[in-house]
Amino acid sequence: KQEVTQIPAALSVPEGENLVLNCSFTDSAIYNLQWFRQDPGKGLTSLLLIQSSQREQTSGRLNASLDKSSGRSTLYIAASQPGDSATYLCAANSGYSTLTFGKGTMLLVSP
Amino acid sequence: DTGVSQNPRHKITKRGQNVTFRCDPISEHNRLYWYRQTLGQGPEFLTYFQNEAQLEKSRLLSDRFSAERPKGSFSTLEIQRTEQGDSAMYLCASSLLRATQETQYFGPGTRLLVL
Repeated sequence: KQEVTQIPAALSVPEGENLVLNCSFTDSAIYNLQWFRQDPGKGLTSLLLIQSSQREQTSGRLNASLDKSSGRSTLYIAASQPGDSATYLCAANSGYSTLTFGKGTMLLVSP
Repeated sequence: DTGVSQNPRHKITKRGQNVTFRCDPISEHNRLYWYRQTLGQGPEFLTYFQNEAQLEKSRLLSDRFSAERPKGSFSTLEIQRTEQGDSAMYLCASSLLRATQETQYFGPGTRLLVL
């Protein structure tokens, strides 16, 4: 059974800092890995999807990497802004189309 | 088309009552998923449809839960005889399965409170 862990559970940084969120998964036989953002009381917004054959994906200030062999993914956020404050979730797709989520990292970026 | 929509956004009910939620996926998306999220946790998979066929159900989906997707368009999730433990955010997602690419797009969720 796939298990996904995210570290840290919460992170507080001043505006402008670069930061890294970590995600690990127990079953390396994944189809893809997806990063989401969730604002309080809201649904999820897809940020990046990395296929199992890819090493990284970039979108604006976000860069996600994937190392299947070690069961790890990271989400790098450059030049953080207060608007980046949210919970970030990673989810592994183990090939059966259902996603297994971590508990998320709650990010607070202070002005 | 603006994305996945869910109704109602909030539902308060008394224990023992039945509730039904609706999800309208992005048009042309052939897959539709239901997840449940409790406070401080990530979403947990409940069930999914490909077109009108329900292909997988989680063990979390007790016999009090039933989901349908008639005609492969919108979907409904019904919970019978609600219990306080059913209080959660119910999220719907849709996707278009295309070779190896499948990004799930989520709706805003329906927050259920069972008193």
